[in-house]
Amino acid sequence: SQELEQSPQSLIVQEGKNLTINCTSSKTLYGLYWYKQKYGEGLIFLMMLQKGGEEKSHEKITAKLDEKKQQSSLHITASQPSHAGIYLCGADIGSNYKLTFGKGTLLTVNP
Amino acid sequence: GAVVSQHPSWVICKSGTSVKIECRSLDFQATTMFWYRQFPKQSLMLMATSNEGSKATYEQGVEKDKFLINHASLTLSTLTVTSAHPEDSSFYICSADRTSGKGETQYFGPGTRLLVL
Repeated sequence: SQELEQSPQSLIVQEGKNLTINCTSSKTLYGLYWYKQKYGEGLIFLMMLQKGGEEKSHEKITAKLDEKKQQSSLHITASQPSHAGIYLCGADIGSNYKLTFGKGTLLTVNP
Repeated sequence: GAVVSQHPSWVICKSGTSVKIECRSLDFQATTMFWYRQFPKQSLMLMATSNEGSKATYEQGVEKDKFLINHASLTLSTLTVTSAHPEDSSFYICSADRTSGKGETQYFGPGTRLLVL
């Protein structure tokens, strides 16, 4: 089974709408990373969360890690076409600096 | 920010040939680099951990004799796909670990798309 479950798998929103992507694990996450990927390209680092209850924001993107450190959410406010892409969560599950990735969420933002 | 490059960005080769992919950290030294593989619409799967000056550590199910990794210096790791077959066609991404103290220690390269005919 997938160690990191991402939902939804794909998402289509109208420009200006808010959206949330979730990343869930049955194990404690020692470090939770959010990346954005354009198809066929490398990963762009967005944010990293380590502490339970931590929340970080950058421009219109906010990421949270729950108190139990098993679930994270990525929230985009007032989405724009430039937000379109694949969002991947990656986590250090074994506390060994190796990252396990979710399957990604394909976001489409219609103008 | 930290920059990691990969070369080539894409390669097409005939079945049975070997292909070498380079991963370079351009403005920092990386004791550890990671190699990932990503199939279409799938997640990134860690293949191996490359450590400068020592043997790479391979994940379960990854053939070390097929995917040769050499971490020759603190800024360069290479992945050689030996005797490539069509099922090896994939998107290969490397990352370099930079312990900056800020948490975002892994910086990813732009990836190399391999197509084996």
